[in-house]
Amino acid sequence: KQEVTQIPAALSVPEGENLVLNCSFTDSAIYNLQWFRQDPGKGLTSLLLIQSSQREQTSGRLNASLDKSSGRSTLYIAASQPGDSATYLCAVRHSLTSGSRLTFGEGTQLTVNP
Amino acid sequence: NAGVTQTPKFQVLKTGQSMTLQCAQDMNHEYMSWYRQDPGMGLRLIHYSVGAGITDQGEVPNGYNVSRSTTEDFPLRLLSAAPSQTSVYFCASQTSGGTGANVLTFGAGSRLTVL
Repeated sequence: KQEVTQIPAALSVPEGENLVLNCSFTDSAIYNLQWFRQDPGKGLTSLLLIQSSQREQTSGRLNASLDKSSGRSTLYIAASQPGDSATYLCAVRHSLTSGSRLTFGEGTQLTVNP
Repeated sequence: NAGVTQTPKFQVLKTGQSMTLQCAQDMNHEYMSWYRQDPGMGLRLIHYSVGAGITDQGEVPNGYNVSRSTTEDFPLRLLSAAPSQTSVYFCASQTSGGTGANVLTFGAGSRLTVL
């Protein structure tokens, strides 16, 4: 059974700092990995999706990397801002036929202090 | 451009009551899923569907029923509510087409409390 772990569970940083969020998964046979953002009381918003054949994806100040063989992904946030405060979740999709079935980590709660 | 719409946003039930959480999407997505989110346990898959008329169980299906009579709608039914079903429920959808690099689109969630 696939298990996804995110470390740390919570992180507090000053504004402007670069930071890395970690995600690990036990079964390296994944199809893709997604990073999501969740604001308090809200749904999840997809940030980046990395296919299993890719090493990284970038969107603005966000960069996600994937090392499938070691079962790890990182989300790098550059020049953090208070608006980045949210919970970040990673999720893996097992196969093409998995469709909308993802296995989620518990998330990292990020606070960026002004 | 509504995306995934869930109703109600909040609901309080008494133990033993039944209710239906509604989910509708207007993106013509084939795949739809229901997740529940609990503190310290992340999101867990309850039921999912790969198309109209096709549903299957996820990780935590007990106490819930689903049906998919149309592409747009995927209601989740609680048969006899229990306090353990107190949670935030999310509906999500995704297209099956393309290269598989399709992101999952979530609704805003339904917060359920069972007393």
